[in-house]
This record gives sequence, C-alpha cells and structure tokens, in this order.
Amino acid sequence: EAGVAQSPRYKIIEKRQSVAFWCNPISGHATLYWYQQILGQGPKLLIQFQNNGVVDDSQLPKDRFSAERLKGVDSTLKIQPAKLEDSAVYLCASSFLGTSLTGELFFGEGSRLTVL
Amino acid sequence: AQKITQTQPGMFVQEKEAVTLDCTYDTSDPSYGLFWYKQPSSGEMIFLIYQGSYDQQNATEGRYSLNFQKARKSANLVISASQLGDSAMYFCAMTTGANSKLTFGKGITLSVRP
Repeated sequence: EAGVAQSPRYKIIEKRQSVAFWCNPISGHATLYWYQQILGQGPKLLIQFQNNGVVDDSQLPKDRFSAERLKGVDSTLKIQPAKLEDSAVYLCASSFLGTSLTGELFFGEGSRLTVL
Repeated sequence: AQKITQTQPGMFVQEKEAVTLDCTYDTSDPSYGLFWYKQPSSGEMIFLIYQGSYDQQNATEGRYSLNFQKARKSANLVISASQLGDSAMYFCAMTTGANSKLTFGKGITLSVRP
C-alpha cells in the first residue's frame, strides 16, 4: 500500500515570495491534516479536512496561509507572502477513521521550507 | 484544552538496554487517546503505540510498552532491548473526545550507543 506522498521535499524561498505544497493521502482515507513543525518543537495542526470540507482551521494564519482539498483526495497548502518564521517542516497526514480515538494517523515525509 | 508535556533533555541508552521516555498530559475530557510517534532523521512520523483512556491494561506493541498511570496523568513509553535504529525523536501526543486531531508534545531525542 502506498503511503502519504508529499512534494516538494525541500524548498528555499525569499521572504514575501509564495510557495505551495502538495499532498496525496493514502487511498480511501477521508481525513487529511496539515501540520507545521518548527525546528525543536512538536508538530502543530494547521488544518484538518474531512473529505473536501474543513473540520478545523483554528490555527491556520489565514492572512497568508490557504489550503484546499478539491474532490476530497489530494490537497495543496499555500503560503503567500512567506515570512522568516514560516521556516519549518510541513507534514501531511491522513487517517481512515477521522472521528475515532483509535484512528491512527499516517504521515508523509514532510516538506522542508526555508525562508531567507 | 489538552496539553502534552515532555521535559526530559536528550536521552542516552546503551544498546540492548531498556529506556523510559516520560510524558504527562492534561485534559478535562474523560475520553481521550494517547499516542507515541517516532521521528527519525528522515522526517517521517512513525506510529508506535496507542492507549485509550478507558483501557484497563497497558498497551504493548513488540518492544514498546506504554506505562499508563491515569491518576498521575502520565503515559511513559518503555522501549526494551534498545537497538541502534531506535535513535530518533520521540513524540507523545493525544486526542480528546471524538476528534482525531493530535496534540503533540515537544519531543525527546533518544540516542542509542553501541
């Protein structure tokens, strides 16, 4: 079974530029998550989708971050304009059971963003 | 709101020995789940073990076991017979209620010495 796919793995941009990350979850997984992991910290949830609807985006900086999950499958996370503090690894995860305590999350390898 | 606390500095263990990684949590929800994930240098988060708040017995998965002490609100991970490949960051995380959203601690670095 293929895992969660993310691209690009690495991206370097200058501040005020824009960047987009792509995620393809495990086939059949209805729930998709984007996490931000700053160096030395644990991942922080940015947004959670159930199929193509948003369940939780309370920690998404909506003035610069946007995310969509068209057709309830793959998803794109965009940052525009980027700031220095956006340097982090952006992790995508998916789960089959989005509303269960035992719904294990499967993570991709992440996209590492460096903003100069 | 839920909170996970991991305060240990970097941990070192000799190969083949056991090691305990500490985790405390806080939530007012009586229904919650506790998870441990491993993050090697490649960056991927790997699920290790799960413990539900109503589970009577401590969870075990191969060399991993979770020492669940509900009254103390602790969920320590025990790795038996450490291997060099166990060197990684380890994160404790939790969900509460019916939502599968994970809240993570800041993690612990484990280094296994040959």
